[in-house]
Amino acid sequence: GQQLNQSPQSMFIQEGEDVSMNCTSSSIFNTWLWYKQDPGEGPVLLIALYKAGELTSNGRLTAQFGITRKDSFLNISASIPSDVGIYFCAGRYNAGNMLTFGGGTRLMVKP
Amino acid sequence: GAGVSQSPSNKVTEKGKDVELRCDPISGHTALYWYRQSLGQGLEFLIYFQGNSAPDKSGLPSDRFSAERTGGSVSTLTIQRTQQEDSAVYLCASSLWGSDDQPQHFGDGTRLSIL
Repeated sequence: GQQLNQSPQSMFIQEGEDVSMNCTSSSIFNTWLWYKQDPGEGPVLLIALYKAGELTSNGRLTAQFGITRKDSFLNISASIPSDVGIYFCAGRYNAGNMLTFGGGTRLMVKP
Repeated sequence: GAGVSQSPSNKVTEKGKDVELRCDPISGHTALYWYRQSLGQGLEFLIYFQGNSAPDKSGLPSDRFSAERTGGSVSTLTIQRTQQEDSAVYLCASSLWGSDDQPQHFGDGTRLSIL
């Protein structure tokens, strides 16, 4: 079946630093989504990408849908303590299909 | 409410018992999904419902797992004869189906612990 490899698994950075994480897939997706999950809560959508090559920003977050449709990255600029959490990428082949999730990147920010 | 609602938020039960987990999707959302998240892991797809179509059960790990969606709205995930490996957070999501720009929105999950 489809698999998503997400890296890094964890990051411990200084407040103010930029962060980059990425996902690669063994097969193509037509939608890439990035979610953030805080302890005890469900994932919350950060950015959705629908076209190969698309670059989308949401505040300090920027994500890109790879040209090959097999990868995506998420950048966070000027990190702050509330960025702490687990970030998940997710891919979907068709509208209405289930999501395939990466294993998550645990982000820790040192004030 | 405005979001996906799940109950109970926590459930502790003995091995061998049956459990039912409930999901109330966002009003008007036609698609409903169940996922399972083991500690420190990503989400694993279980089952999804779309309108009156037959559900996609391809992610259910065993025949002890089943789900229903009554009236196209509320869904119940049932686990029979629970085992310790069933311990996980069970997450429900809903979306407007058929529209590519409508992503899935998640509830806060039910944390299931099997003793």
